[in-house]
Amino acid sequence: DAKTTQPNSMESNEEEPVHLPCNHSTISGTDYIHWYRQLPSQGPEYVIHGLTSNVNNRMASLAIAEDRKSSTLILHRATLRDAAVYYCILRNYGGSQGNLIFGKGTKLSVKP
Amino acid sequence: GAVVSQHPSWVICKSGTSVKIECRSLDFQATTMFWYRQFPKQSLMLMATSNEGSKATYEQGVEKDKFLINHASLTLSTLTVTSAHPEDSSFYICSAPLGTSALWGTTGELFFGEGSRLTVL
Repeated sequence: DAKTTQPNSMESNEEEPVHLPCNHSTISGTDYIHWYRQLPSQGPEYVIHGLTSNVNNRMASLAIAEDRKSSTLILHRATLRDAAVYYCILRNYGGSQGNLIFGKGTKLSVKP
Repeated sequence: GAVVSQHPSWVICKSGTSVKIECRSLDFQATTMFWYRQFPKQSLMLMATSNEGSKATYEQGVEKDKFLINHASLTLSTLTVTSAHPEDSSFYICSAPLGTSALWGTTGELFFGEGSRLTVL
């Protein structure tokens, strides 16, 4: 699977929007962009995923660059509960392994 | 959404003993489950892929005789750390996709357990 690059850490104020960037310059045409987050001492949880078009769900929005070499996870109003490590992961369509390969992710801190 | 549960949440054992961690899919059948290990302040590392009714597939560098995986039913996979040593102390996390391992990628979501923290004294 292609690699992703994320900032090690970011800070946000509560109730403000947060934009978490991810670079994936070697993405292939069949790679889906997945975002997961991991709260302290918990297993990861799914946030959102997309292929080419921007995506919205109840948790977040995913903005994908036109060339797909980067994407941004958008939390519209950060809460203290959003403090977590956010992982941007590429998952190849039809890949036989089915697993996710985690990078280091971005540790998001939310200040009250 | 689908729920994956692990047991125990935490365990402390003496060096040389074996510890079994269970991973259950509560409301769906999982033909495939993945086992990850996470050391403090590090990311998750895939250890092995567990397949119902067949042998697990281990990642390079993971000792299959030390980390025994059994996937006896469509809702249960177990990881047994045999002859545990302090360096095996870690956070062990399982996960499962809906559908087969080859197909889930089109739907996107992998469901994770809460994790099991192992401390070996």
